[in-house]
Amino acid sequence: RKEVEQDPGPFNVPEGATVAFNCTYSNSASQSFFWYRQDCRKEPKLLMSVYSSGNEDGRFTAQLNRASQYISLLIRDSKLSDSATYLCVVRTSGTYKYIFGTGTRLKVLA
Amino acid sequence: GAGVSQSPSNKVTEKGKDVELRCDPISGHTALYWYRQSLGQGLEFLIYFQGNSAPDKSGLPSDRFSAERTGGSVSTLTIQRTQQEDSAVYLCASGDGGSEKLFFGSGTQLSVL
Repeated sequence: RKEVEQDPGPFNVPEGATVAFNCTYSNSASQSFFWYRQDCRKEPKLLMSVYSSGNEDGRFTAQLNRASQYISLLIRDSKLSDSATYLCVVRTSGTYKYIFGTGTRLKVLA
Repeated sequence: GAGVSQSPSNKVTEKGKDVELRCDPISGHTALYWYRQSLGQGLEFLIYFQGNSAPDKSGLPSDRFSAERTGGSVSTLTIQRTQQEDSAVYLCASGDGGSEKLFFGSGTQLSVL
């Protein structure tokens, strides 16, 4: 079983739609959680960290469920520019290794 | 620029040759990571540096892979006797060790023929 698992998609949604992605992690000692965005043929860039109480950044909301070992990303009012691959990232307590999921591809349609 | 710089951006080599990939992290960043990404795949962790030491080398796929970092700055990833399965994008990232935010370079696309 992979340490971090994501639905690869693609998720094709119309502009203005709300879309949500989940990511599950296998190690209960996981401590830090992040969402990165990767555009085609580009390097990943941090979108947001995920805090235990959940957090919001504009149209983006991230949540953590430790009991079920998953994190989620909600995008409201999708824009064409949101089209990208969203990578779930986890760090386990006591290590400095950041484990990346394989990503969920989002395509926002006009 | 102030970002992470990687060179070369593209490298084509023949099977069996050695290659060196270079990473210049953001100035002052103590943490440095190497990942590789195969076509359509996620990022695979290779190695982590804190300063010049590598406390975690667990991701290096075989003894053909090695990496070093000098002066707490530039890092070189060396692949000896390259194989076709080594073809991938090799990404370097640096971090300040506090914020847990990683800054990635644009990668080296390695093609082994």
